[in-house]
Amino acid sequence: GDSVTQTEGQVTVSESKSLIINCTYSATSIGYPNLFWYVRYPGEGLQLLLKVITAGQKGSSRGFEATYNKEATSFHLQKASVQESDSAVYYCALSDRGNMGYKLTFGTGTSLLVDP
Amino acid sequence: EAAVTQSPRNKVAVTGGKVTLSCNQTNNHNNMYWYRQDTGHGLRLIHYSYGAGSTEKGDIPDGYKASRPSQENFSLILELATPSQTSVYFCASGDPLSGNTLYFGEGSRLIVV
Repeated sequence: GDSVTQTEGQVTVSESKSLIINCTYSATSIGYPNLFWYVRYPGEGLQLLLKVITAGQKGSSRGFEATYNKEATSFHLQKASVQESDSAVYYCALSDRGNMGYKLTFGTGTSLLVDP
Repeated sequence: EAAVTQSPRNKVAVTGGKVTLSCNQTNNHNNMYWYRQDTGHGLRLIHYSYGAGSTEKGDIPDGYKASRPSQENFSLILELATPSQTSVYFCASGDPLSGNTLYFGEGSRLIVV
């Protein structure tokens, strides 16, 4: 089946420093999956951070970027300068059209703590 | 704005009891989903639905039932709750025509004692 592997556990970064959260995927369908980053801020539900549905393209939102690399099957999340308000749990996900239609498969989540 | 609301937000249940988690969406999306989130596992799909009257098993359906009586409502039912079902449950709605972006509720925290 489909799977998503991302940087595990908690990542601590000092404010204004750069961030990368790794994400690699395996999709069982013949076509290209859609790739997503979702974020969960404390006390809130998950919300879409960015998505890319075409291989080779880059998505961006709130200063975060991720590039759909089909060859490496990767979709790493990067930010040049993090802020304390970025502290949250980040989930990489893919949407693959299996026999039963669209489903999202999530990674285990990466908890980002930004030190002020 | 897209809206998915879940109830209850917090629930303590006894082992063997019945628990119903409810979800309502105002997005007019055909697809709805129930996930649970546990540390070390991320979000795992329990049941989903393509529209009123349909329910499909996800990746971890054992011990759960689902009901989709209308476009707007999708319930998750634990007939005989067990402590292993202690978790945070998320409902979501989505539209495949928009690349299947999912809109999530705020989550329901269930503790089974």
